[in-house]
Amino acid sequence: EADIYQTPRYLVIGTGKKITLECSQTMGHDKMYWYQQDPGMELHLIHYSYGVNSTEKGDLSSESTVSRIRTEHFPLTLESARPSHTSQYLCASSDPGPGIDEQFFGPGTRLTVL
Amino acid sequence: AQRVTQPEKLLSVFKGAPVELKCNYSYSGSPELFWYVQYSRQRLQLLLRHISRESIKGFTADLNKGETSFHLKKPFAQEEDSAMYYCALMAGGFKTIFGAGTRLFVKA
Repeated sequence: EADIYQTPRYLVIGTGKKITLECSQTMGHDKMYWYQQDPGMELHLIHYSYGVNSTEKGDLSSESTVSRIRTEHFPLTLESARPSHTSQYLCASSDPGPGIDEQFFGPGTRLTVL
Repeated sequence: AQRVTQPEKLLSVFKGAPVELKCNYSYSGSPELFWYVQYSRQRLQLLLRHISRESIKGFTADLNKGETSFHLKKPFAQEEDSAMYYCALMAGGFKTIFGAGTRLFVKA
């Protein structure tokens, strides 16, 4: 079934740890995105990718990094987690076909850094 | 600057009452606007897009370029409409800018 997956769904981790948030999609989409969302606030684009080996930073500065080695996989890594990284992270993908891109969202990862 | 403003964080209406969720945008180009919705314990998903001029679940939204608005309306709210609603602007390329969202609560 075509879907977009994020793991883990919840993560509580100590300061200084390296973490990777996983995002995979079986939608066959080329474009993928990472958003950061604090409670009650808007979604902020932190990374996006046009396709394999293409990654760009979004509007919100983030200490995280991403990679796109395979079309279906777009992991996000924090080398050294800090309490300021506590947030919800949403992964999305879209199809650049004719018409306007509709973004499909994963379930999100809620990260808490102690 | 490109911006999407949803002035109401919370909107509470009675079942059967009309509902209007406000959205204003700031963009110098030709806007492509969307409404996304997130129901409780579900993912964020597209509700409707202005280019389609469609009615989804009884909701409609009209782009008013003069007022730079894209308000979401429904004549008779239902309890199942209770959710978080986000207005979004695709601003060139494929960057999408989201508003802060409005939580709609429909009371029985």
